[in-house]
Amino acid sequence: QITLKESGRTLVKPTQTLTLTCSFSGFSLTTPGVGVGWIRQPPGEALEWLALIYWDDDTRYSPSLRSRLSISKDTTKNQVALTMTNMDPVDTATYYCARRLVDYSVGSGSGWFDPWGQGILVTVSS
Amino acid sequence: QPMLTQPPSASASLGASVTLTCTLSSAYGGSKVDWYQLKPGKGPQFVMRVDSGGIVVSRGDGIPDRFSVLGSGLNRFLTIKNIQEEDESDYFCGADHGSESNFVEVFGGGTRLTVL
Repeated sequence: QITLKESGRTLVKPTQTLTLTCSFSGFSLTTPGVGVGWIRQPPGEALEWLALIYWDDDTRYSPSLRSRLSISKDTTKNQVALTMTNMDPVDTATYYCARRLVDYSVGSGSGWFDPWGQGILVTVSS
Repeated sequence: QPMLTQPPSASASLGASVTLTCTLSSAYGGSKVDWYQLKPGKGPQFVMRVDSGGIVVSRGDGIPDRFSVLGSGLNRFLTIKNIQEEDESDYFCGADHGSESNFVEVFGGGTRLTVL
């Protein structure tokens, strides 16, 4: 059974840095074709992709948030961390991590997210 | 980058069928699209990945046969037959484009399905 779970602070102040950890089991981030991504959903809004990291250390970031994001992995602990700097109230959202599976018929990191964690609600407020 | 457009809401009676639409922006008609189901308090669940010809690339674990997909031009459709109460949910479509530094993953605005 594959599971992912997000953890980290749920309340941060504006300008602070948020660090979230995705702890997973049932798969390895050393397996070719596998990655982990972060996606968020502000209350009442759509999903927004944030970042991806693949088994080969390839990282991808949302163009609009690239300057504020950093993603890393620890394969010995089966964890992926996401850091987001200079938090703002508009960053209030439920943050999800999910396993990424590469679609080799497309390549270039194309793929889908399956499964997802349950999410963690992060509130940015002073 | 591609844009995905979804109607904000849809409804269907118990036992009926409904088709949800995800429309790709022009020039991205060849893109594959992923469907996700999102219920309150739970993480999204992958439903299916569909290509431009309606071929299913991958199907999520435990997704009933009542769920099917089609593709035509810029549209990707998710059809649910014999709708059950547990199908009431938000449905998002997603697609990616590019490679390396110009890679992007985008999602549609989501469709809230109400079971009457």
